[in-house]
Amino acid sequence: AQKVTQAQTEISVVEKEDVTLDCVYETRDTTYYLFWYKQPPSGELVFLIRRNSFDEQNEISGRYSWNFQKSTSSFNFTITASQVVDSAVYFCALSEDRNQGGKLIFGQGTELSVKP
Amino acid sequence: DTAVSQTPKYLVTQMGNDKSIKCEQNLGHDTMYWYKQDSKKFLKIMFSYNNKELIINETVPNRFSPKSPDKAHLNLHINSLELGDSAVYFCASSQSVGVRKEQFFGPGTRLTVL
Repeated sequence: AQKVTQAQTEISVVEKEDVTLDCVYETRDTTYYLFWYKQPPSGELVFLIRRNSFDEQNEISGRYSWNFQKSTSSFNFTITASQVVDSAVYFCALSEDRNQGGKLIFGQGTELSVKP
Repeated sequence: DTAVSQTPKYLVTQMGNDKSIKCEQNLGHDTMYWYKQDSKKFLKIMFSYNNKELIINETVPNRFSPKSPDKAHLNLHINSLELGDSAVYFCASSQSVGVRKEQFFGPGTRLTVL
């Protein structure tokens, strides 16, 4: 069965700390896609990254980095030197290739609070 | 220019009423979606349309009826609203069903049923 688990419901850090948000997924597909979305307090959902199952290269974008490990079915997200503006709910999501509808299966979300 | 827009942003109504939420995307995408976010922030797919054709109906009650007049629009009509329908409804779009491109989301419509 397809499933995404974000075990950390809430994380609170102080500005400039590094923080890692965990994401573990389950799928029977060999081809699938993983995503991270950010939902700031204003409520919109902002796309951050997409990864396909054949690309295990880690990715860095500014202060954001992602670690994809198929062996542990994890796709973790690290924010380096966190800032108050990073405060948001972060969602990890999975889309399976055999699922022709392209639906996203979301994790429960991790609420990150960055305090000054 | 807004990529995915939804109207209205807020909707407050009485139980039993019928209401609609409209969604439009100007990204040229061929697939559109409706998601529901409950009070615990959990996001779940409701419907997906590709080129105006329904391809996902995720065990949503018949009171919910999506309509796609063209590729750029996907509206959601809800009959006989119930208290449990209170949620934030997000519309999204993506380029293709076959290739899992990222979905872009609208700003959401907060529905409150009294």
